[in-house]
Amino acid sequence: DIQMTQSPSSLSASVGDRVTITCQASQDIGNYLSWYQQEPGKAPKLLIYGASNLETGVPSRFSGSGSGTDFTFTISSLQPEDIATYYCQNYDNLPPSFGQGTKLEIK
Amino acid sequence: EVQLVQSGAEVKKPGESLRISCKGSGYSFSNHWIGWVRQMPGKGLEWMGIIFPGDSDPRYSPSFQGQVTISADKSIGTAYLHWRSLKASDTAMYYCARHRSGATNEYFHLWGQGTLVTVSS
Repeated sequence: DIQMTQSPSSLSASVGDRVTITCQASQDIGNYLSWYQQEPGKAPKLLIYGASNLETGVPSRFSGSGSGTDFTFTISSLQPEDIATYYCQNYDNLPPSFGQGTKLEIK
Repeated sequence: EVQLVQSGAEVKKPGESLRISCKGSGYSFSNHWIGWVRQMPGKGLEWMGIIFPGDSDPRYSPSFQGQVTISADKSIGTAYLHWRSLKASDTAMYYCARHRSGATNEYFHLWGQGTLVTVSS
């Protein structure tokens, strides 16, 4: 099975900051990488698929990049409503695997 | 509206059986893989397995193979997650989620609201 290493596990930043989360796969997964946002007490929500494709309706301050084994998720200007835990997921083959999650807090 | 609606919270005792459900609406239920994700208290997301309702073909994570059964009834647009004998360690929130297309290896495009399962003596 492919292992996904996500970092950092937690992050504190100020409103307006640029925030970056990384995800590394244990083997080449091409661009079969998605990012989800899980607000406290809610179901996860798809933000990015295919490593860099923004899901419809998701604000453009969210973006993703990378291919192969190294991926990055960025919030260009952090907003108060972005408080959540973010997960990467590899879906190159079965079983898909999630990263451990990054809990994002506002300073 | 395209949505997945899950059954309500459950409180069970160890050794009891349980089936929770996920009803899809607003789309062709038979043509999209639908799966289950576990989230234990305070922990991350774990992919359990998926099923293609059109032919009820399930695929499991090795971690959950033999521990749960995933099924679907395309006639009523509903997927199920079933336990024969619950353990305290099954206490978790369970989410159903759907692939965007009919592809086997894909991301979860649409999520249910979650079903909290509590197993306690």
